[in-house]
Amino acid sequence: DAGITQSPRHKVTETGTPVTLRCHQTENHRYMYWYRQDPGHGLRLIHYSYGVKDTDKGEVSDGYSVSRSKTEDFLLTLESATSSQTSVYFCATYSTATGELFFGEGSRLTVL
Amino acid sequence: KNEVEQSPQNLTAQEGEFITINCSYSVGISALHWLQQHPGGGIVSLFMLSSGKKKHGRLIATINIQEKHSSLHITASHPRDSAVYICAVRSTGTASKLTFGTGTRLQVTL
Repeated sequence: DAGITQSPRHKVTETGTPVTLRCHQTENHRYMYWYRQDPGHGLRLIHYSYGVKDTDKGEVSDGYSVSRSKTEDFLLTLESATSSQTSVYFCATYSTATGELFFGEGSRLTVL
Repeated sequence: KNEVEQSPQNLTAQEGEFITINCSYSVGISALHWLQQHPGGGIVSLFMLSSGKKKHGRLIATINIQEKHSSLHITASHPRDSAVYICAVRSTGTASKLTFGTGTRLQVTL
């Protein structure tokens, strides 16, 4: 268990409101990722980070931004939530030492 | 065509059966991951493979790099094995590019 916690675990919000999801890890992993999981799709990469203040876009990054000011925290922000962003969001880390992946418990976001 | 294809999409088995889930991919990879997701739950990493075979308890994972194919086997299946099993491949030369299959939903009945 790499000690990854996501918050909030569940959130219901309205279209147009900003939302921030937090991912916190205790393993000092350099690489962190945000994915979304939707029915009929595999996990899709939103953004990832390869170090403090180093981030890059994934395949479904439109409408999302991220920040990583500390190794342990990776924040995902929806500046103005839309119904198409209703999804389950997973944070993950990657251990360069072992090649293993570790996932958080997921955050279920509903945008009404 | 998706870069990662899993089969079958859904699988129902009786307790005690031997189960095989397949994953085929079309890109060059440095590693392949098998993941497990219980209903409503988080995702747990089962195996990371770059060659050969790994075993953990009743689970066995194999990979054939030349054929771009991996299998996950469950021996003596049990209802607690009911979950979605996801294959993911890490493209060569990158820590960022992970491509996921859509998963195989397994239900094991008594």
